[in-house]
Amino acid sequence: GNSVTQMEGPVTLSEEAFLTINCTYTATGYPSLFWYVQYPGEGLQLLLKATKADDKGSNKGFEATYRKETTSFHLEKGSVQVSDSAVYFCALPIQGAQKLVFGQGTRLTINP
Amino acid sequence: EAGVVQSPRYKIIEKKQPVAFWCNPISGHNTLYWYLQNLGQGPELLIRYENEEAVDDSQLPKDRFSAERLKGVDSTLKIQPAELGDSAVYLCASSLRQGSTDTQYFGPGTRLTVL
Repeated sequence: GNSVTQMEGPVTLSEEAFLTINCTYTATGYPSLFWYVQYPGEGLQLLLKATKADDKGSNKGFEATYRKETTSFHLEKGSVQVSDSAVYFCALPIQGAQKLVFGQGTRLTINP
Repeated sequence: EAGVVQSPRYKIIEKKQPVAFWCNPISGHNTLYWYLQNLGQGPELLIRYENEEAVDDSQLPKDRFSAERLKGVDSTLKIQPAELGDSAVYLCASSLRQGSTDTQYFGPGTRLTVL
């Protein structure tokens, strides 16, 4: 079945550093892929998504490209800010079900 | 546009007591989900509704958990009796069924502590 493996955290960076959080998936076909972000004490917010292979999702300076060759959907940002400190989840739907399966989450801390 | 609303945001109860969580989805969204998020983990689906119908409740522990979505809008998730292991964040999400995969929008969650 569909599954997602996410880079383990925690990740700590300095402000303005380059960020990559790895996500690889196993899926039948080409499902949509999602990145959600969870700020402290809050629910999940959709950060970006890609609906087909080679699509690039982007939002708030974050980007992720749907790469079927490497079955990856890595999250990147060129210059992180303290306000980006949060937990990031990669997710994809289980085939045939309207149900998302999530990675274990990566906790990101940005120091000023 | 208002997002998914959940209440209460926090709840502390003693074990064996009942507890209920309420969710109001985004207006017009016909699909509603309840997820359980344990500390340090990603959310896991408990139940999914299409309008009033529970179409996937395979992960709902039916001996103590129940849910309803009357009139296909608001939903309530109940635990009776609560156990220590039920301490977690309960997330509600909604989506508009448009294709094979819908974008789910999450509420802020209810953080439950069972003492």
